Amino acid sequence: QKEVEQDPGPLSVPEGAIVSLNCTYSNSAFQYFMWYRQYSRKGPELLMYTYSSGNKEDGRFTAQVDKSSKYISLFIRDSQPSDSATYLCAMIGTNAGKSTFGDGTTLTVKP
Amino acid sequence: GAVVSQHPSWVICKSGTSVKIECRSLDFQATTMFWYRQFPKQSLMLMATSNEGSKATYEQGVEKDKFLINHASLTLSTLTVTSAHPEDSSFYICSARDPASSYNEQFFGPGTRLTVL
Repeated sequence: QKEVEQDPGPLSVPEGAIVSLNCTYSNSAFQYFMWYRQYSRKGPELLMYTYSSGNKEDGRFTAQVDKSSKYISLFIRDSQPSDSATYLCAMIGTNAGKSTFGDGTTLTVKP
Repeated sequence: GAVVSQHPSWVICKSGTSVKIECRSLDFQATTMFWYRQFPKQSLMLMATSNEGSKATYEQGVEKDKFLINHASLTLSTLTVTSAHPEDSSFYICSARDPASSYNEQFFGPGTRLTVL
């Protein structure tokens, strides 16, 4: 069983929709939780990070972490065609140097 | 945010040749760099962790004699794919960890697309 499971997608939504992207994990040592966006043929770029449980909002993006359920989410409000990309969740334990990534969810926002 | 560059961005080579990919942190010193490969429509697969001045730590199943990693300075790590074969064709991405980041943030390079004929 993988340490991090991500909803596989692909996901296709109309412009303006609210998008929910989700990951679950099994390692209770994970403390930092990140969401990366990766456009085709590009390297991932960090979108959001959160430490421990709670919500964090940045513009149209909200990251949510529920450590009790070992579940994290990324919400995108008022989705735009430019949001079309693959979204990767990632997690780091307190003392680990490497991130554990989900397999990614490909999102297409149709105009 | 910090910038990580990779060179070349794409390379085509003949089977049996070696290819070197460079990863540079442009505005910070990276004590740790990571090398990933990514096949189409798949996630990142960590190949190795590279610490400046020491030998790289390879993930299980990654041939260290085939994928040579050198992290000679705090701003440069190189990955050499030796005796490349078509099955080595992939997207190779490096990332560098900024030690000034409070949560071990990794900054990714733009990737190098390798095609082995």
